Amino acid sequence: DVKVTQSSRYLVKRTGEKVFLECVQDMDHENMFWYRQDPGLGLRLIYFSYDVKMKEKGDIPEGYSVSREKKERFSLILESASTNQTSMYLCASSSGLAGISQETQYFGPGTRLLVL
Amino acid sequence: AQSVAQPEDQVNVAEGNPLTVKCTYSVSGNPYLFWYVQYPNRGLQFLLKYITGDNLVKGSYGFEAEFNKSQTSFHLKKPSALVSDSALYFCAVTNQAGTALIFGKGTTLSVSS
Repeated sequence: DVKVTQSSRYLVKRTGEKVFLECVQDMDHENMFWYRQDPGLGLRLIYFSYDVKMKEKGDIPEGYSVSREKKERFSLILESASTNQTSMYLCASSSGLAGISQETQYFGPGTRLLVL
Repeated sequence: AQSVAQPEDQVNVAEGNPLTVKCTYSVSGNPYLFWYVQYPNRGLQFLLKYITGDNLVKGSYGFEAEFNKSQTSFHLKKPSALVSDSALYFCAVTNQAGTALIFGKGTTLSVSS
């Protein structure tokens, strides 16, 4: 089974702090994704990566950055956390065999971030 | 604009009855279509997907979905609902560029015993 793990289930941070969210997958997947989930808005893509050191902006990249130094690990960084970044953050990965569009994405359990 | 609509925020059914969770999309070309389920305090789990071929797709836990190109719909169905099916369901469609998924806002399914 594919396993996607996220470093924390719950985080509480203060406004202005730098926040790191870590995601690790164990299936040698090429593609990795970061989403945020908000009630009534569904999932929105923040960034994705289709290879080591490669990254692409999603729909809502403002206020976020990412890092992918190793294939299995994809980090989301909030450079200066703000209260409007309070949300559930979901990481996902998928194989690159058939391209991003066809492959099933496998999700981690999520990190619920509260910014005070 | 590309979008996915799940017109019902909540669907209520009695255990043993058939269920339908609706999804329509607005994406040009021939997108790929997915259904995911999310149980409380969990990540999303893959249920099924349509890539090509037979319009009726069968997936996990007895769920199936019917792709209708003319109506741009991909409704999720199950012949007999279980209380354990109660969860949040998301429809997703690949964007026109084929680089990402567009998710609907989700439909909460509540199955009563």
